[in-house]
Amino acid sequence: AQSVTQLDSHVSVSEGTPVLLRCNYSSSYSPSLFWYVQHPNKGLQLLLKYTSAATLVKGINGFEAEFKKSETSFHLTKPSAHMSDAAEYFCVVTSGGSYIPTFGRGTSLIVHP
Amino acid sequence: SQTIHQWPATLVQPVGSPLSLECTVEGTSNPNLYWYRQAAGRGLQLLFYSVGIGQISSEVPQNLSASRPQDRQFILSSKKLLLSDSGFYLCAWSEGAGWIEAFFGQGTRLTVV
Repeated sequence: AQSVTQLDSHVSVSEGTPVLLRCNYSSSYSPSLFWYVQHPNKGLQLLLKYTSAATLVKGINGFEAEFKKSETSFHLTKPSAHMSDAAEYFCVVTSGGSYIPTFGRGTSLIVHP
Repeated sequence: SQTIHQWPATLVQPVGSPLSLECTVEGTSNPNLYWYRQAAGRGLQLLFYSVGIGQISSEVPQNLSASRPQDRQFILSSKKLLLSDSGFYLCAWSEGAGWIEAFFGQGTRLTVV
């Protein structure tokens, strides 16, 4: 069994300040973890993924995430927010060769000028 | 390179009318194909997935059906739409055994009136 919890439904930051989007997971097997971004009325775009290699994963647009097994977390960070980062972010977990990932309910990132 | 096409982008249909949404993938063979629905302000709900031609798995009993008549074509259908079928429909594809990472189409906004 697997599950994912995005701890914040909304996160509000000012442009130029750091971003932290939190994700906790549970999995019966070694998990693969992903972050996707969705802009309004668009499809989802993969930001980054963890698949049992390096625990610190770098993605596109300056985002990165760290897999912490002891904390069952995979939080998404960015040092400096840009207005274009305003979007919905989804944390996703899959494991055991499953075809069916589990999506978090999403975190809406709001960036103020 | 691989691309995914999903159409139409928007659709307004009366209650009781039929539905056909199409998704095609280019640049890959034997992809895993998925249909998701995203209701307003909510996360993604997996509707169907397919690991090969003619192989359809349904995750949620509902008013919809899916078919895969060709290797890289995935169709979502309904004989009679309900108001509750309104939402944002996303097609996605992945390669290999299990979900390693997936690539999403741009989505179809369906409004049933």
